[in-house]
Amino acid sequence: AQSVTQLGSHVSVSEGALVLLRCNYSSSVPPYLFWYVQYPNQGLQLLLKYTSAATLVKGINGFEAEFKKSETSFHLTKPSAHMSDAAEYFCAVSGYTSYDKVIFGPGTSLSVIP
Amino acid sequence: DGGITQSPKYLFRKEGQNVTLSCEQNLNHDAMYWYRQDPGQGLRLIYYSQIVNDFQKGDIAEGYSVSREKKESFPLTVTSAQKNPTAFYLCASSFEKDRVKSPLHFGNGTRLTVT
Repeated sequence: AQSVTQLGSHVSVSEGALVLLRCNYSSSVPPYLFWYVQYPNQGLQLLLKYTSAATLVKGINGFEAEFKKSETSFHLTKPSAHMSDAAEYFCAVSGYTSYDKVIFGPGTSLSVIP
Repeated sequence: DGGITQSPKYLFRKEGQNVTLSCEQNLNHDAMYWYRQDPGQGLRLIYYSQIVNDFQKGDIAEGYSVSREKKESFPLTVTSAQKNPTAFYLCASSFEKDRVKSPLHFGNGTRLTVT
């Protein structure tokens, strides 16, 4: 069965500092991987997705993630944090067939300190 | 603009009452989903529907019911059998034929409080 872990339920960074949010997945075959962002009292919005076309994926708002099969990881990064990046971030995994459900990680809350 | 509309945004009910949460989409998506979100637990799938007049239980379906009479609508009823109904409920949709590549589109959620 597929699963997703996110190391660190809460991460704090200073404005302008590097953002690194960790995601590891468990799957017998390389899956599809996603990062979503959620602002307070709102739904989730897709940041980026990995679908095997390229291991380094660029998303919206300056975020990117790198798929590393050997480490079963899909960490999210941004070179310079902005105050508006403060939100909850979810990593998600899905298999290849229409029977595979999307499995979400528990989320990481990002705080940006001015 | 296309999107998913959930209503109401906030809902308060007394224990023992059934309550229905609305979800409407105009994205022409085939599949629709209901998730429950609790602090520190991520999103858990309640029910999903891949086609009109058909739906399947997710991981935590007990105490909930749904219907899919129209492609655009997927209402969720929280029944009195749900032991801990207070939560944030999210509706989502996607294209069925390319679901694994097509990202989920989410509504802005309904926060249900039962006292």
